[in-house]
Amino acid sequence: DADVTQTPRNRITKTGKRIMLECSQTKGHDRMYWYRQDPGLGLRLIYYSFDVKDINKGEISDGYSVSRQAQAKFSLSLESAIPNQTALYFCATSASLRGDTQYFGPGTRLTVL
Amino acid sequence: GEDVEQSLFLSVREGDSSVINCTYTDSSSTYLYWYKQEPGAGLQLLTYIFSNMDMKQDQRLTVLLNKKDKHLSLRIADTQTGDSAIYFCAERTSGTYKYIFGTGTRLKVLA
Repeated sequence: DADVTQTPRNRITKTGKRIMLECSQTKGHDRMYWYRQDPGLGLRLIYYSFDVKDINKGEISDGYSVSRQAQAKFSLSLESAIPNQTALYFCATSASLRGDTQYFGPGTRLTVL
Repeated sequence: GEDVEQSLFLSVREGDSSVINCTYTDSSSTYLYWYKQEPGAGLQLLTYIFSNMDMKQDQRLTVLLNKKDKHLSLRIADTQTGDSAIYFCAERTSGTYKYIFGTGTRLKVLA
C-alpha cells in the first residue's frame, strides 16, 4: 500500500470553480508539503506544514489555501481556479527527527478550462 | 542565489551507462538527492549524499560529488528500458526543510 496517497488523481474543472485536492499519509511524518510541477520548471513549493498548527506559505502560494486536518491529512484548495493553475500537484511528507528526506505522493493532474 | 541546474534530455542505448549531471550553488552543509519520476507517477527517492562525501554506490547507481565545482552526477550502469524516466536533482541545506529542485532530466533508453 502506498505511504502517501492523493485524491483525485485527475481532475478537469472550469475557471472560477473551487477545487480541493487531498493528501493522506501513513508514514507517521510530522511535516507535509504541497508542490506544483510545470514542464521545464521543476517543482515549486506552494505551502508547507510542520505540524497541525503550523502552516506556512511557500514560494507560490497566491490563489491557494491549505488545511491540515490531522497529522496525516493535508489538503490544498484552489478558491477560484484559473487556467494557469493547470499543472501536476504533488504532496510530500518528511520526518523532522529522521533527516527531513521528503517522500512524494503519486500526484494529481489538474486541468482548468 | 540558490539554483540547481540540469540538462533537459539524455538518450542512451540499452546496456550502456547513463550519466546525468547536476550543478548546485549552496556552499553550506548540504544534502543532495536524486529522484526518479516515471510517467504518471510521483517522485521516487533513489539515493542521496551528504556534502562531506565524494561518492556513494547502490547497486547500479553511483553518485559522484565534486564539491569544488559544485557538481553532482548520477551514473546508471547497464541502463535498461525501465530506467526511462525524468530524473530530478535536489539540494537541501542541513538543518532546513527547504528543497531546491532542478528542472529534471528526461532519460530515454533506446532498445
